[in-house]
Amino acid sequence: GAGVSQTPSNKVTEKGKYVELRCDPISGHTALYWYRQSLGQGPEFLIYFQGTGAADDSGLPNDRFFAVRPEGSVSTLKIQRTERGDSAVYLCASSEAGTSGPSTDTQYFGPGTRLTVL
Amino acid sequence: DQQVKQNSPSLSVQEGRISILNCDYTNSMFDYFLWYKKYPAEGPTFLISISSIKDKNEDGRFTVFLNKSAKHLSLHIVPSQPGDSAVYFCAASVMNRDDKIIFGKGTRLHILP
Repeated sequence: GAGVSQTPSNKVTEKGKYVELRCDPISGHTALYWYRQSLGQGPEFLIYFQGTGAADDSGLPNDRFFAVRPEGSVSTLKIQRTERGDSAVYLCASSEAGTSGPSTDTQYFGPGTRLTVL
Repeated sequence: DQQVKQNSPSLSVQEGRISILNCDYTNSMFDYFLWYKKYPAEGPTFLISISSIKDKNEDGRFTVFLNKSAKHLSLHIVPSQPGDSAVYFCAASVMNRDDKIIFGKGTRLHILP
């Protein structure tokens, strides 16, 4: 079956612009996560959705970052007034995690979107 | 401050030998640990995990060892194969709180022919 897909694979934008990054999780996965990986670093947690709601958004760096998952499937990460420091690979992951609470279900990652802010 | 530390940015190992990747953590609340493998232009792929109630978990050529008192874990790959060349991320989480995974910076493993 299809894995997690992310579009676009690459995005180049200018400082101050608005960008949207899309994630299509594995079908049936209720949990969805966004991470950001800067050069030379490991993935850094941004936000976690359980169904349609953001269960934990403590990793979002500031209010320029926002994510939605309106129908509990596809998610969009939105970045306003982009800055050069936002340049990174944005990774999305999904898992089967059930609604009864957190679990250790394996998170499956997409290939990421490489965002470059000029 | 890094809660999960991988102090070796890179490691080179001869094909057929054992690869040992090390990881230290500082947060004593962590009770679930994972290793992910990443090839260029791909997302991380889950490799193996261990919960804090165990000190060893084995899956084929891969074994993870956990030393809770030292807050240290290691991944052993034996025998190492060319396809094992990748970046390996150590990661940790707290079960029953949320599924947030904290990753280390990664170790790039080169398997030499």
